[in-house]
Amino acid sequence: DQQVKQNSPSLSVQEGRISILNCDYTNSMFDYFLWYKKYPAEGPTFLISISSIKDKNEDGRFTVFLNKSAKHLSLHIVPSQPGDSAVYFCAASLGGGGAQKLVFGQGTRLTINP
Amino acid sequence: GAVVSQHPSRVICKSGTSVKIECRSLDFQATTMFWYRQFPKKSLMLMATSNEGSKATYEQGVEKDKFLINHASLTLSTLTVTSAHPEDSSFYICSARGAGWTYEQYFGPGTRLTVT
Repeated sequence: DQQVKQNSPSLSVQEGRISILNCDYTNSMFDYFLWYKKYPAEGPTFLISISSIKDKNEDGRFTVFLNKSAKHLSLHIVPSQPGDSAVYFCAASLGGGGAQKLVFGQGTRLTINP
Repeated sequence: GAVVSQHPSRVICKSGTSVKIECRSLDFQATTMFWYRQFPKKSLMLMATSNEGSKATYEQGVEKDKFLINHASLTLSTLTVTSAHPEDSSFYICSARGAGWTYEQYFGPGTRLTVT
């Protein structure tokens, strides 16, 4: 049962335009959401996060939006740069304290075209 | 800060042998470490969670006798793949969380295991 879904395996965007990556989830118990960026043969690097009590968090070129009623979140990157080309994973946090763990989506490969 | 290293980055072993992967937190004390496995073009699948000084908690479907996890210190966790088979070939990634951290996990660079 895939609790976190990224339905677009790939996305191609022109440099300077906005990139929008989407993520849907099914478990209403998730209380925190994170986006990670991953290059081939490397571990994921943390990008931005949002608490379930908020609907928006912004950090520079990156903004994450959360729609709890729709169980949907999105990552906006603007303006997109060639260095943003990578696989982006959406992750949701479940449990607390020592039992806290992350559930990852399948990832979306973002390609920024010059 | 929050740097996690893994060693080796790449390992090839023969079928039937065991291989150990190390995960270290370099600039913080990791009270909890996580081990993930990533199949080609797939998501990261959590294998197990280990808290320092206690036994690891394995996810459903992960064989604890096959994937031995030790978290003996606040900066080191090891994953040993015992009696490896070609189907164990994968990209293994660890992550770590420090004391008092709520949600953040910092990931290592991963280890590519190939079993021939």
